[in-house]
Amino acid sequence: KQEVTQIPAALSVPEGENLVLNCSFTDSAIYNLQWFRQDPGKGLTSLLLIQSSQREQTSGRLNASLDKSSGRSTLYIAASQPGDSATYLCAVSPLTGGGNKLTFGTGTQLKVEL
Amino acid sequence: KAGVTQTPRYLIKTRGQQVTLSCSPISGHRSVSWYQQTPGQGLQFLFEYFSETQRNKGNFPGRFSGRQFSNSRSEMNVSTLELGDSALYLCASSEKLAGAEELFFGEGSRLTVL
Repeated sequence: KQEVTQIPAALSVPEGENLVLNCSFTDSAIYNLQWFRQDPGKGLTSLLLIQSSQREQTSGRLNASLDKSSGRSTLYIAASQPGDSATYLCAVSPLTGGGNKLTFGTGTQLKVEL
Repeated sequence: KAGVTQTPRYLIKTRGQQVTLSCSPISGHRSVSWYQQTPGQGLQFLFEYFSETQRNKGNFPGRFSGRQFSNSRSEMNVSTLELGDSALYLCASSEKLAGAEELFFGEGSRLTVL
């Protein structure tokens, strides 16, 4: 059974700092890994999708890497801003038969302070 | 392009009642999946529909059911509500079943069971 862990559970940083969020998964037979952002009481917004054959993806100040063999992904946020405050979730989809059956981590709650 | 629309956004029910939640996917998306989010269990996969057929199912009791219509809109139903069913129910859509693409989530339906 796939298990996804995110460390740290919560993080508070001053504005402008670069930061790294970690995600680990137990079964390397994944189709892809996605990073999402969730604001309080809202749905999820997709940030980055990394296919299992890829090593990293970038979008603006965000960079996500994937090391499938070690079961790890990191989300790097450059020059953090107060608007980045949210919960960040990673999720993996199974390699076979699972379609869009994602297994989610428990999230990292990020607060960026002025 | 309109996003994923979920209705109702908020609802309150009492134990033993049943509830139906609706999800309209992004135009052209044929896959609709449902997730339950609670503070204790996080995000858990309920089921996925593609072309009106249930393709994947999570580990939830039979009280949780769903369906998809020919226009790809989906409904989920929970019968004989229990206090533990209080949660944010999220719907997500994608074009394909294969899990190779981003999932787009709605804002969710927040169910409170009293």
